[in-house]
Amino acid sequence: NAGVTQTPKFQVLKTGQSMTLQCAQDMNHEYMSWYRQDPGMGLRLIHYSVGAGITDQGEVPNGYNVSRSTTEDFPLRLLSAAPSQTSVYFCASRLTGRKVNTEAFFGQGTRLTVV
Amino acid sequence: AQRVTQPEKLLSVFKGAPVELKCNYSYSGSPELFWYVQYSRQRLQLLLRHISRESIKGFTADLNKGETSFHLKKPFAQEEDSAMYYCALRDNAGNMLTFGGGTRLMVKP
Repeated sequence: NAGVTQTPKFQVLKTGQSMTLQCAQDMNHEYMSWYRQDPGMGLRLIHYSVGAGITDQGEVPNGYNVSRSTTEDFPLRLLSAAPSQTSVYFCASRLTGRKVNTEAFFGQGTRLTVV
Repeated sequence: AQRVTQPEKLLSVFKGAPVELKCNYSYSGSPELFWYVQYSRQRLQLLLRHISRESIKGFTADLNKGETSFHLKKPFAQEEDSAMYYCALRDNAGNMLTFGGGTRLMVKP
């Protein structure tokens, strides 16, 4: 059971480059989300999706785009990378709403450095 | 807007000492609160949730609505408890999961 899989694990980008962070889950979870983790600031929500075809902004959406064409995949796109986007990115998935056992499952993270 | 505050970035205790990791929240509705833990080189995982009123690995947390707190406690810390701990709040719709800044717990031998 793979759970939540993120690729790549590490990435270095030059300022202005674009890239896509991949996230896939095999638990048939409706809800998927992206967070960034920065020292002293915890995890901040970038974007989330409550199901295929539905996305919404979180706390820090600027500079990032997402799409949800399938239940399994939730890619995060950086259109023009900036040094301020240097961070560790986590994808998470869970069942939606207030169902019992709506534990969030996290990927292993992607460490992104923008130079 | 919902907010979670963990006032301590680092908490260092000796093995066998009691531990309390503080968490305060602000939310207009009825919150669902969680503690997540991240051990070294492992992914973030759920430790416990207030709705279950459970004890996991000796840790407990009680929701105090009057003080808007959800502090994590353990009577006798172990070295393997050393990790990063995050308090999190979920909104009424069950969509937004908001995390605090995290507290790094170091348990010294």
